[in-house]
Amino acid sequence: AQKVTQAQTEISVVEKEDVTLDCVYETRDTTYYLFWYKQPPSGELVFLIRRNSFDEQNEISGRYSWNFQKSTSSFNFTITASQVVDSAVYFCALKGNNNNDMRFGAGTRLTVKP
Amino acid sequence: EADIYQTPRYLVIGTGKKITLECSQTMGHDKMYWYQQDPGMELHLIHYSYGVNSTEKGDLSSESTVSRIRTEHFPLTLESARPSHTSQYLCASSEYGNMNTEAFFGQGTRLTVV
Repeated sequence: AQKVTQAQTEISVVEKEDVTLDCVYETRDTTYYLFWYKQPPSGELVFLIRRNSFDEQNEISGRYSWNFQKSTSSFNFTITASQVVDSAVYFCALKGNNNNDMRFGAGTRLTVKP
Repeated sequence: EADIYQTPRYLVIGTGKKITLECSQTMGHDKMYWYQQDPGMELHLIHYSYGVNSTEKGDLSSESTVSRIRTEHFPLTLESARPSHTSQYLCASSEYGNMNTEAFFGQGTRLTVV
């Protein structure tokens, strides 16, 4: 069975603070992919990053960084120097070997206040 | 920018009406999905398709039905809408057979049944 847990339902920070969104996953597959999506108030899901299970290198893209730790089954997402435009719901997702579907976490609503 | 389109964006309809939510993609993706999402909540997979003439039910039971007569088109139909069907419906597509690919999402249809 595959499962994605985002324990933080809502996070509120003040602009310029750093914030980390947690994602913990469960899977029996040896090969799998992890994803982060952003859902702004307009409703569409915007793809942010993809990481495969064999690549544990952390990645940085501008103010965004991702920390993948296979030992703890976690794929956390950090926003540095947050901005009001970062306010959205962020979803972590997992796709396993069966390729049937992408399993999403419950999402974390991030509010960045000016 | 993803080439996947959903219409209508917003729909308010009376109980008992038949409705069809449209979803089209121009990326030639074989795999398509429908997710149901209550505001600010997690995404639930209700239908997916591997390609033309393929339709499968997802994790969440739904009274809706889907069809896949053409690769680019994956409409969702509710024969008799009820207030419990009020939700956001998100369509997505991805390449099939390639795990190393994200799903691309449409902008969603916000359905309200009164």
